[in-house]
Amino acid sequence: DQQVKQNSPSLSVQEGRISILNCDYTNSMFDYFLWYKKYPAEGPTFLISISSIKDKNEDGRFTVFLNKSAKHLSLHIVPSQPGDSAVYFCAAVSGNTPLVFGKGTRLSVIA
Amino acid sequence: DVKVTQSSRYLVKRTGEKVFLECVQDMDHENMFWYRQDPGLGLRLIYFSYDVKMKEKGDIPEGYSVSREKKERFSLILESASTNQTSMYLCASSTPGGRVYEQFFGPGTRLTVL
Repeated sequence: DQQVKQNSPSLSVQEGRISILNCDYTNSMFDYFLWYKKYPAEGPTFLISISSIKDKNEDGRFTVFLNKSAKHLSLHIVPSQPGDSAVYFCAAVSGNTPLVFGKGTRLSVIA
Repeated sequence: DVKVTQSSRYLVKRTGEKVFLECVQDMDHENMFWYRQDPGLGLRLIYFSYDVKMKEKGDIPEGYSVSREKKERFSLILESASTNQTSMYLCASSTPGGRVYEQFFGPGTRLTVL
């Protein structure tokens, strides 16, 4: 049973426009959420995170929104750049337990 | 700069061979993890360890074992490699005292079992 779901396997966006990546979760005990970015043949790198006590966290071009009542979070990238093309993983955690990852969304930013 | 290193970037082995994948971190992290990544399946947790000589099964431990004799090193062992273990293997580490819950990943080992 998937606790973290990324229902869009892929997304294509034009350069300069907004990219919105979505993630849903089922476990209400999750208290921290993270986004990782992965290029081919490299390990994932941490991008941005949000605590369950917040509904928004912003870091430069990246903003994560959390809607606890809907058990939904989203990552906004504005403006999108070709270098943002990668696989994005949503992850969630409760306490000092391993992160639970979604299956990932492949973002392609077209110049 | 924090670093997680994995012994090989690419590895080719034959069915039935015993395979060792090594992971070393230089951040004095307590927690270490092994994942495999497959297309359409995301990152799946194989084993993890919260301390030296401790290990916990993840979601897909079958066919694998691990060893953590030193804090900085976490080894993944495929006792008898099979073709369905062809995958990208990723090691990660974290600390409860660091930036909350963030896991640092190594570059991965692409294992092909023929």
